[in-house]
Amino acid sequence: DAGVIQSPRHEVTEMGQEVTLRCKPISGHDYLFWYRQTMMRGLELLIYFNNNVPIDDSGMPEDRFSAKMPNASFSTLKIQPSEPRDSAVYFCASRYTGGVGTGELFFGEGSRLTVL
Amino acid sequence: AQTVTQSQPEMSVQEAETVTLSCTYDTSENNYYLFWYKQPPSRQMILVIRQEAYKQQNATENRFSVNFQKAAKSFSLKISDSQLGDTAMYFCAFPLLSSGSARQLTFGSGTQLTVLP
Repeated sequence: DAGVIQSPRHEVTEMGQEVTLRCKPISGHDYLFWYRQTMMRGLELLIYFNNNVPIDDSGMPEDRFSAKMPNASFSTLKIQPSEPRDSAVYFCASRYTGGVGTGELFFGEGSRLTVL
Repeated sequence: AQTVTQSQPEMSVQEAETVTLSCTYDTSENNYYLFWYKQPPSRQMILVIRQEAYKQQNATENRFSVNFQKAAKSFSLKISDSQLGDTAMYFCAFPLLSSGSARQLTFGSGTQLTVLP
């Protein structure tokens, strides 16, 4: 089975530009999470969806960040306008609501964003 | 407040030796899971091992095992016969119940392990 697929793997852009990160979760998974990883703050949860509905976006840093999940197989994280401090690795992860509900996540390979 | 604490930012070990990475956590729950994830230079987050809190037996996956001390809220990872490919950042993770009633993984700050030849 294919894992969580993210694109692009690397993105270099200039301050003020719009950035869109994409994620395809594992088929059958009903939860999708967006994390950001930086040296200073480690892994931070930005937002998560359940059955395509945003449940908790309290980790989204600013209004410049937005996330959507139009269907069960696709999600986007958009930054507009981007700033140098947004430079980080952004991870998408998914899981299913198993009978036990372990909380285990399956991660994509991450998108490394550099804003100049 | 920090819920998952890894107090060792960096560690090194000689190839073939054994190393233990520590993790402590805080929860009022009685039944839960704990995880160790590995992030090699490729940056892919890979599940190493999981522990179910209601099981007294420590989890083992080949060279990886845990020392789970529920009363002390301690969850350390032991790597035996360390290999060069074990060089990675290791994260301890605990699935917190969120405001949305779903569990979200909360990660420790990580321990960078280097296996020396």
